[in-house]
Amino acid sequence: DAEITQSPRHKITETGRQVTLACHQTWNHNNMFWYRQDLGHGLRLIHYSYGVQDTNKGEVSDGYSVSRSNTEDLPLTLESAASSQTSVYFCASSVGPDSPLHFGNGTRLTVT
Amino acid sequence: KNQVEQSPQSLIILEGKNCTLQCNYTVSPFSNLRWYKQDTGRGPVSLTIMTFSENTKSNGRYTATLDADTKQSSLHITASQLSDSASYICVVARGSNNDMRFGAGTRLTVKP
Repeated sequence: DAEITQSPRHKITETGRQVTLACHQTWNHNNMFWYRQDLGHGLRLIHYSYGVQDTNKGEVSDGYSVSRSNTEDLPLTLESAASSQTSVYFCASSVGPDSPLHFGNGTRLTVT
Repeated sequence: KNQVEQSPQSLIILEGKNCTLQCNYTVSPFSNLRWYKQDTGRGPVSLTIMTFSENTKSNGRYTATLDADTKQSSLHITASQLSDSASYICVVARGSNNDMRFGAGTRLTVKP
């Protein structure tokens, strides 16, 4: 069965370190997204991609970057981790604008 | 503006009972409205997607309604089961799927 996997599931890092969160999907979807989920807030869009070599900034993109070198992967990099980036991060993919998002199970990141 | 508000924040019901969750939005221009179920420690899973012309959509014991005039939606759960314990998230898509606005969710607990 097709799936979307995120790794690691949990990560603790120190302020100022660079961190990369992995997202891999086998749906062969062109559209991929990164969200963060914080208590009391809805999911917020960080970055998204509509295909290989395409990346776009979302609502809360400051301090984050992504790259899309193939269809399956969209890694999320925190250039210099800050305590405000402590959150649960979700990757998602979809076929198109009217299709459901398929989410991974998240990465819980703690920045100390 | 362009917000999604869900009520109640949390709800406790007994197994076998029905319940209704509410979603009000100010998102414009409207593209579609989605309901997702999120189990603890997992990513959201799509329940329904409704376009402007649809006012009711069912998925098993879940029935979503949409009133595009009043910008309100509801999710009705019939004959609740313990496995329905989860957060239910209302999402309104604005124009294209890269601009989806997420509600903060309703936390439902079903007790035996």
